[in-house]
Amino acid sequence: SQTIHQWPATLVQPVGSPLSLECTVEGTSNPNLYWYRQAAGRGLQLLFYSVGIGQISSEVPQNLSASRPQDRQFILSSKKLLLSDSGFYLCACLRWADRPTEGYTFGSGTRLTVV
Amino acid sequence: SQQGEEDPQALSIQEGENATMNCSYKTSINNLQWYRQNSGRGLVHLILIRSNEREKHSGRLRVTLDTSKKSSSLLITASRAADTASYFCATDALSNYQLIWGAGTKLIIKP
Repeated sequence: SQTIHQWPATLVQPVGSPLSLECTVEGTSNPNLYWYRQAAGRGLQLLFYSVGIGQISSEVPQNLSASRPQDRQFILSSKKLLLSDSGFYLCACLRWADRPTEGYTFGSGTRLTVV
Repeated sequence: SQQGEEDPQALSIQEGENATMNCSYKTSINNLQWYRQNSGRGLVHLILIRSNEREKHSGRLRVTLDTSKKSSSLLITASRAADTASYFCATDALSNYQLIWGAGTKLIIKP
């Protein structure tokens, strides 16, 4: 089964600073990868997904971008953080072939506070 | 966009009691999934039920699906303090690349 490593666990950044969150996957190859954001006490909002190296789809136009430089690496970035970028960021993966019968695997999340 | 809606938004029960959470959705689906999230942690997949299934069990979990009513329920029997968490339903229509998530039910088990 796959495992997702996501770091850092918590991050406090000033407004206007850059951001880089990294997610790596073990135990599978060619997974679909996802970045979600969760506001306090709320459900998940899909930010980006990727079906392969260099392939990124954005669900919500915003201050963030994503990249997939390697098959099992997914990076969330920003050039200049806004206060509204604060939240809990989660990386998830799923092998496309498993989709009809298997659930997503999530990382442990990064709590980002922009001050 | 959010399609699933869980109710209740919050539920507090005594340890040992059964907990029932409901989820409604709006469009046709291929499967419906339930996840648990402990405070400040990632989500853990609990159970997936396909659209041609009506009931599924996993340990103390029982999930039902009524596609005619576009609704599902998650029953946790003999609740334990460790079941305290938020529970989310998510639907997969297979027509695009994403799950559609509800806002979750916050479950508190009182010792």
